[in-house]
Amino acid sequence: EPEVTQTPSHQVTQMGQEVILRCVPISNHLYFYWYRQILGQKVEFLVSFYNNEISEKSEIFDDQFSVERPDGSNFTLKIRSTKLEDSAMYFCASSGNRDRGYTFGSGTRLTVV
Amino acid sequence: GDSVTQMEGPVTLSEEAFLTINCTYTATGYPSLFWYVQYPGEGLQLLLKATKADDKGSNKGFEATYRKETTSFHLEKGSVQVSDSAVYFCALSDGGSNYKLTFGKGTLLTVNP
Repeated sequence: EPEVTQTPSHQVTQMGQEVILRCVPISNHLYFYWYRQILGQKVEFLVSFYNNEISEKSEIFDDQFSVERPDGSNFTLKIRSTKLEDSAMYFCASSGNRDRGYTFGSGTRLTVV
Repeated sequence: GDSVTQMEGPVTLSEEAFLTINCTYTATGYPSLFWYVQYPGEGLQLLLKATKADDKGSNKGFEATYRKETTSFHLEKGSVQVSDSAVYFCALSDGGSNYKLTFGKGTLLTVNP
């Protein structure tokens, strides 16, 4: 069964550093997403991406965040200057059809120290 | 805006007990409804879904019925197993073109032998 692949599985970074989280969505999907889950809390929507542009973003997704689909297969989330409160599990997901739901990757655990 | 409210956990059951995890939603339009499961240390997996009123989603012995009149999508299983221990998330997908998911807070289920 097709999978969404995320790398790395765990990243530790110092506060103020930039990080790039990488995702390879399912190849024939058209909608791409980033969600995050702070430990013990609910899964929160960050951003959706369609047709090579952001289609919707949450109020969490401020100027320190950006997304790219640089080469038609990868889908990246960049956090420009990490803060302690950015520590969370970040999930990438892709969807081809609303009725089928999403396929989520296994997540990247980001720890900001 | 859209929201999902699910039963707070944790829920602790003995093997072969009956499980109900309540979920209610608020949404404009006609959302699709989902249950996702997160096993320890893993990502989110789609457990079941329903796309319109009175649909019943089912998978691995779990089932949930889309009740428009009560805006509910309660998860049930007749006989739980130790391997069902996980966090269960109720979610809805809005009727908009972005297919964004809104999650509940999650319910931790622990099944003891």
